[in-house]
Amino acid sequence: EIVLTQSPDFQSVTPKEKVTITCRASQSIGSHLHWYQQKPDQSPKLLIKYASQSLSGVPSRFSGSGSGTDFTLTINSLEAEDAATYYCHQGIALPHTFGQGTKLDIK
Amino acid sequence: EVHLVESGGGLVQPGGSLRLSCSASGFIFNNYAMHWVRQAPGKELEYISGVTPLGSSTYYRDSVKGRFTISRDNAKNTLYLQMSRLRAEDTALYYCAKDTEPFGELLFNCFDSWGRGTLVAVSS
Repeated sequence: EIVLTQSPDFQSVTPKEKVTITCRASQSIGSHLHWYQQKPDQSPKLLIKYASQSLSGVPSRFSGSGSGTDFTLTINSLEAEDAATYYCHQGIALPHTFGQGTKLDIK
Repeated sequence: EVHLVESGGGLVQPGGSLRLSCSASGFIFNNYAMHWVRQAPGKELEYISGVTPLGSSTYYRDSVKGRFTISRDNAKNTLYLQMSRLRAEDTALYYCAKDTEPFGELLFNCFDSWGRGTLVAVSS
């Protein structure tokens, strides 16, 4: 099973700050890394697919990068509504696996 | 608009059974692989099972293999998860999720739509 390790586990940030969340895979997964946002009491929402592909309806302040084993989700100019837990996900090997999550708290 | 609505969760004793359903609308159901993902209270997401568009292939993570069965009725646009021999560690919110791209297998894809989940609690 491919293990995804995110860092940090928790971050307290202020609005307009730039946030970087990393996800490291236990083996190379190419670009098969996706990012989700989960707000309290909501289901996950797909933010970025295949490491860097943006999705319609997702604010442009969210971007992704990386390949192989190291990936990054960047949130430029954080907004209060971005308070959530963020998960990375690999879909190149079964079982699909998710990172442990990074919880963003907005000060 | 895509809608996924799970149902069938509840409180069950260890060793008991439940059948979860996921009713789908807003897309051509039989074109997409479908998946079940669960989330224990306060924990991360855990992938448990998937089924290809026509139901020809399925996958189960090891911890549920032999106890859970995934199936789909494409005529009813519904995904199922039959769960038996339930354990306390199966307690979680169970989500169904849809592949982003049609005609996929169980790999090389991500999940662009999720239901709100149905809660399964296993306790005596």
